[in-house]
Amino acid sequence: DVKVTQSSRYLVKRTGEKVFLECVQDMDHENMFWYRQDPGLGLRLIYFSYDVKMKEKGDIPEGYSVSREKKERFSLILESASTNQTSMYLCASSQQLTDNQPQHFGDGTRLSIL
Amino acid sequence: AQSVTQPDIHITVSEGASLELRCNYSYGATPYLFWYVQSPGQGLQLLLKYFSGDTLVQGIKGFEAEFKRSQSSFNLRKPSVHWSDAAEYFCAVGGGSYIPTFGRGTSLIVHP
Repeated sequence: DVKVTQSSRYLVKRTGEKVFLECVQDMDHENMFWYRQDPGLGLRLIYFSYDVKMKEKGDIPEGYSVSREKKERFSLILESASTNQTSMYLCASSQQLTDNQPQHFGDGTRLSIL
Repeated sequence: AQSVTQPDIHITVSEGASLELRCNYSYGATPYLFWYVQSPGQGLQLLLKYFSGDTLVQGIKGFEAEFKRSQSSFNLRKPSVHWSDAAEYFCAVGGGSYIPTFGRGTSLIVHP
């Protein structure tokens, strides 16, 4: 079974801090994704990566950056956290960037910015 | 551009009753369709997927979904709901962008 592991289930940070959310997958998947989940808004794509050191902006990239130095690891970075970034963050991976490959999700990180 | 609509924000059913969750999509060609479930405090788990062929798709946990091209729908069904089915359900469509688009989700509440 594919395992997508997010380093923290809950995280509390202060406004202005630099925040790192880490995600690791163990199935040699090409693609990795970061989503933000808010009540009533569903999942919104922040960034995705289809290869090491490659990244593409999703629907809501403002205020975020990402890093993929190794195939198995995809990091989401909040350069200067703000209260409106309080949310649930979900990481996902998939085998190929084709339509018929479902995504595998981590359990999420619930981030609170005070 | 592809899009997904889940018309129901909340659905309440009694345990043992049948369930149907609605999903409507917009996409010009044959879509790739998915249903995911999210239990409280967890990530999304794939229930089933449709790529082509038989329009009635069987999934895990006793769920099935039917693709109806004429109605642009992919509704999720279960004949008898269990209390453990209480969760958030997401429909997603894949298409030309290769990145699936998710609906806003339907929250299922199960009464004993």
